[in-house]
Amino acid sequence: AQSVTQPDIHITVSEGASLELRCNYSYGATPYLFWYVQSPGQGLQLLLKYFSGDTLVQGIKGFEAEFKRSQSSFNLRKPSVHWSDAAEYFCAVVGGTYKYIFGTGTRLKVLA
Amino acid sequence: EAGVAQSPRYKIIEKRQSVAFWCNPISGHATLYWYQQILGQGPKLLIQFQNNGVVDDSQLPKDRFSAERLKGVDSTLKIQPAKLEDSAVYLCASSFLAGGTGDEQFFGPGTRLTVL
Repeated sequence: AQSVTQPDIHITVSEGASLELRCNYSYGATPYLFWYVQSPGQGLQLLLKYFSGDTLVQGIKGFEAEFKRSQSSFNLRKPSVHWSDAAEYFCAVVGGTYKYIFGTGTRLKVLA
Repeated sequence: EAGVAQSPRYKIIEKRQSVAFWCNPISGHATLYWYQQILGQGPKLLIQFQNNGVVDDSQLPKDRFSAERLKGVDSTLKIQPAKLEDSAVYLCASSFLAGGTGDEQFFGPGTRLTVL
């Protein structure tokens, strides 16, 4: 069965610093992979997705993610964080069951 | 383009009472999802509709939860009777294509349920 692990529950970075949020998945083949962001009181918004092809995926708001098959990872990165990026970030995987499995989320705090 | 609409946004009830949530997906979207998001956890799929048929309800507690999607558009999720552990945010999402194709899901703002 597919599963997703986000090892970091909370991350705090200073504004302007770089960011990397970790996501590891478990699935026998290459799944569909997603990163969503959830701001307080709002629904989830898609940042980016990976299906196949180029393993470096560009998304909205300056985010990118890299798929590494050997590490079963799909980490989210941003070179310079803005205060408005403070939110909760969810990694999700869709595998053979065609069901979205979400990780437990990483809450990002940005220091001014 | 209007997004996914949900109501109410907040609901407080006593245990053993019943409650219903409503969702209006994006026009033309075939697939509709209901998720339960407990504080500190990621969303968990409760039920997935394609048009007005159920595709997956394997994680829906059917002894107390029910959902319907009449005419393949709006959907209602009901809990009867509610338990304390049902306190969560209930998210509705929709996608244009059939679920599992990797098609983007668009989420509503959610309904925050508190069971006392």
